[in-house]
Amino acid sequence: RKEVEQDPGPFNVPEGATVAFNCTYSNSASQSFFWYRQDCRKEPKLLMSVYSSGNEDGRFTAQLNRASQYISLLIRDSKLSDSATYLCVVIRPYNNNDMRFGAGTRLTVKP
Amino acid sequence: SAVISQKPSRDICQRGTSLTIQCQVDSQVTMMFWYRQQPGQSLTLIATANQGSEATYESGFVIDKFPISRPNLTFSTLTVSNMSPEDSSIYLCSVGGNEQYFGPGTRLTVT
Repeated sequence: RKEVEQDPGPFNVPEGATVAFNCTYSNSASQSFFWYRQDCRKEPKLLMSVYSSGNEDGRFTAQLNRASQYISLLIRDSKLSDSATYLCVVIRPYNNNDMRFGAGTRLTVKP
Repeated sequence: SAVISQKPSRDICQRGTSLTIQCQVDSQVTMMFWYRQQPGQSLTLIATANQGSEATYESGFVIDKFPISRPNLTFSTLTVSNMSPEDSSIYLCSVGGNEQYFGPGTRLTVT
C-alpha cells in the first residue's frame, strides 16, 4: 500500500461546480498535512495547510479525519484557473522535513 | 518565502554520460532537498543535503548514482551519473520546513 493515496482522477467539471478530492495516508502517527497545487510544467506550490480540524481559505476548504486517516479538499465555485494537479502531502512523523507526496489528482475546469 | 533557481532548465543527454544540476537559493538554509518527478507521477524524495555533511539518501537512491554537493548554505548540486533512459525525469530542489519552496525544475531527457 502506498503511503499517500489520492483519488485517481481526472476530474472534468464545469465552471461554478463544486469538486472534492480525497487523500488517505497509511501512517497514523503523521501530524502535518498539506495540499499543493502543480500547474502543467511548473513546480508544486503550497495551496493550503491542514491542521487539526481543517481550515478554509476562500473557495477552498481542507478537512482532516484522523480516525479514518484521510484528508479532503473541497473547491467551491470552480474557476478556469483552478485547472491544475492537486497533490496531497503528508509529513512523516518525527521528521518535519520528510514529506511524502501523493500521485496527484488532475482537475480540469471547463467553460 | 524563498526564491530558488535551477540550472539547466532542461537538457537532452546521451546514455552513459552524467549531468550536474545546480540549485541556488536567495537565502541561507540549513537543509536542501532533491526530488525526482517522473512523467505523469508525483514527487519522490531522492536525498536531503545538509551543509557540511554527507547527504542522506532515500531508499532506492545511492550516492554513486546521485552524488550531491552542498558547499555552502545557499547552493547545492545533484549529479545524475551514468544516465540511462529511465533517468528521464524532472529533477527539483526545494527548501523549507513544513512549507516547501521548489525550484522550477530541470527537465532531463536521456536518449
